[in-house]
Amino acid sequence: TQLLEQSPQFLSIQEGENLTVYCNSSSVFSSLQWYRQEPGEGPVLLVTVVTGGEVKKLKRLTFQFGDARKDSSLHITAAQPGDTGLYLCAVEVGSGNTGKLIFGQGTTLQVKP
Amino acid sequence: NAGVTQTPKFRVLKTGQSMTLLCAQDMNHEYMYWYRQDPGMGLRLIHYSVGEGTTAKGEVPDGYNVSRLKKQNFLLGLESAAPSQTSVYFCASKPSSTDTQYFGPGTRLTVL
Repeated sequence: TQLLEQSPQFLSIQEGENLTVYCNSSSVFSSLQWYRQEPGEGPVLLVTVVTGGEVKKLKRLTFQFGDARKDSSLHITAAQPGDTGLYLCAVEVGSGNTGKLIFGQGTTLQVKP
Repeated sequence: NAGVTQTPKFRVLKTGQSMTLLCAQDMNHEYMYWYRQDPGMGLRLIHYSVGEGTTAKGEVPDGYNVSRLKKQNFLLGLESAAPSQTSVYFCASKPSSTDTQYFGPGTRLTVL
């Protein structure tokens, strides 16, 4: 059983379309991270959300943390081919500030020109 | 400033062979991590270290050992490789003061 469930697993859209990907759990978290991974590279942190209901924007990307801190969404406006990649959500687990992360299975996004 | 580097980039092993993957970081980070990434499963934590000389088990530690003899290096060992260990391995590091992990480019390992 995955602690974090991401949906959809795959998304193929045309340039200029909008999209939303989701990261859901039945557990409550103190914070949640979103990463993007391009083919052949390691993941890169996009944002950390820490407050229930929080909305953060990064250019055309909008991240929201659910009010109950159990889920999060990533919305991309006017997607571009450069947005193509694997989007991963992750949460820190355990005690003691160890930085141990559990990742969702990821959403693979393909943006066609 | 190279960030996090991983050696080698690719490797093919036969079942039962051993090997060591090297991760090096030049950012003076205290914490280091080894993950594996398999299709449809995201990244899973194998082992981690919160400082030189310390290591701890992650989510999927069986079949792997690690060592952190120097702060800047974190080694992942496979004593007797199995086909189930075919994967892409990522190393990451972070300072103790933030939650941002910096990942290396990965090592693609195939066990035949």
